[in-house]
Amino acid sequence: EDKVVQSPLSLVVHEGDTVTLNCSYEVTNFRSLLWYKQEKKAPTFLFMLTSSGIEKKSGRLSSILDKKELSSILNITATQTGDSAIYLCAVRKETSGSRLTFGEGTQLTVNP
Amino acid sequence: GAGVSQTPSNKVTEKGKYVELRCDPISGHTALYWYRQSLGQGPEFLIYFQGTGAADDSGLPNDRFFAVRPEGSVSTLKIQRTERGDSAMYLCASSITSGTYNEQFFGPGTRLTVL
Repeated sequence: EDKVVQSPLSLVVHEGDTVTLNCSYEVTNFRSLLWYKQEKKAPTFLFMLTSSGIEKKSGRLSSILDKKELSSILNITATQTGDSAIYLCAVRKETSGSRLTFGEGTQLTVNP
Repeated sequence: GAGVSQTPSNKVTEKGKYVELRCDPISGHTALYWYRQSLGQGPEFLIYFQGTGAADDSGLPNDRFFAVRPEGSVSTLKIQRTERGDSAMYLCASSITSGTYNEQFFGPGTRLTVL
């Protein structure tokens, strides 16, 4: 059975801290790994990773995939209160069309 | 509107009743997905459509759940004889096609509560 595991499940930091969120997966026929941010309702897309070792960056957020370790990390530097959200990791397989298999998410709280 | 829209935003019903949840995808998107998210969990795949046809319905939990997309645009998720365990956030997403490199854009969801 396909599995996506995120850690930690929750994290509380102060503004300005740097955080690293982890995602590991066990799927056959892996195609890509996606990160989403979910604040109130709709998850919003952050990154899609398909190749190992290539960092994707957007402002203070960055992410990288390690296909050997079957994992990915999402880094957020200089955190702000607006970064408080649930961060979801999802994987997509070669053989499953476009369905996404999600992890439980990491609840990040950034305090002022 | 520019994004995926879902109605209603909240639905409260009684056990045993029938409900319909509606999703209006981004204009021009041919692929549409339904997910269910329970509290404290990530979204769980239910079904996806490419055009009018259900390309993969393997995530539907049982035959009380059914979804249609008759004209290849708006989709309705139908739940018969609702049970308390059906209470969850139901999320819809669309993408330009079902290709595996296409981003899925999510709607705000319908929060279903079965009393």
